[in-house]
Amino acid sequence: AQRVTQPEKLLSVFKGAPVELKCNYSYSGSPELFWYVQYSRQRLQLLLRHISRESIKGFTADLNKGETSFHLKKPFAQEEDSAMYYCALRGTGGFKTIFGAGTRLFVKA
Amino acid sequence: NAGVTQTPKFRVLKTGQSMTLLCAQDMNHEYMYWYRQDPGMGLRLIHYSVGEGTTAKGEVPDGYNVSRLKKQNFLLGLESAAPSQTSVYFCASHGEGAQPQHFGDGTRLSIL
Repeated sequence: AQRVTQPEKLLSVFKGAPVELKCNYSYSGSPELFWYVQYSRQRLQLLLRHISRESIKGFTADLNKGETSFHLKKPFAQEEDSAMYYCALRGTGGFKTIFGAGTRLFVKA
Repeated sequence: NAGVTQTPKFRVLKTGQSMTLLCAQDMNHEYMYWYRQDPGMGLRLIHYSVGEGTTAKGEVPDGYNVSRLKKQNFLLGLESAAPSQTSVYFCASHGEGAQPQHFGDGTRLSIL
């Protein structure tokens, strides 16, 4: 069965510290992985996707098929990074997207 | 370009009342979804549609009905609201291929 696990409900770091939001998935085929972000009083929006292999707002995420993980990383957290982050999975060629429970990131000054 | 628009933004209902949430998208997307967002549970798929005139059940469909009479609109109905349906409801859509989802602002629904 498809499943996305985000083990941390809340992650609190100091400004300038590295941050890693964990995401593990369960899927029998080749998945498409996404990170979505929801800033305060804003709608959910795409942050990045694994097929793009790009860095957005300093965030990167690498798909590790061996460990079935897609952790989101940023070397130096900023206060404006405080938000709710969702990891999501879609099967290749499919359309239904499964979301994790989300991790709330709080960056302290 | 409005993207995905949800109506209403807030609503308070009494148990047993009915209502319809409207989702409209102007991007000519085939795929549309309704999710509910609850603390600690992330986004759970209620119903979805892969094109005009089609609907299918998601993860938590009980107590909800949907219709997609027009490609741009996806309606979510609660026939007899229950307190367990108190939640924030999000609509999303995307086009063909490996496209990410575009979300609406959400509808905060409270059922007393």
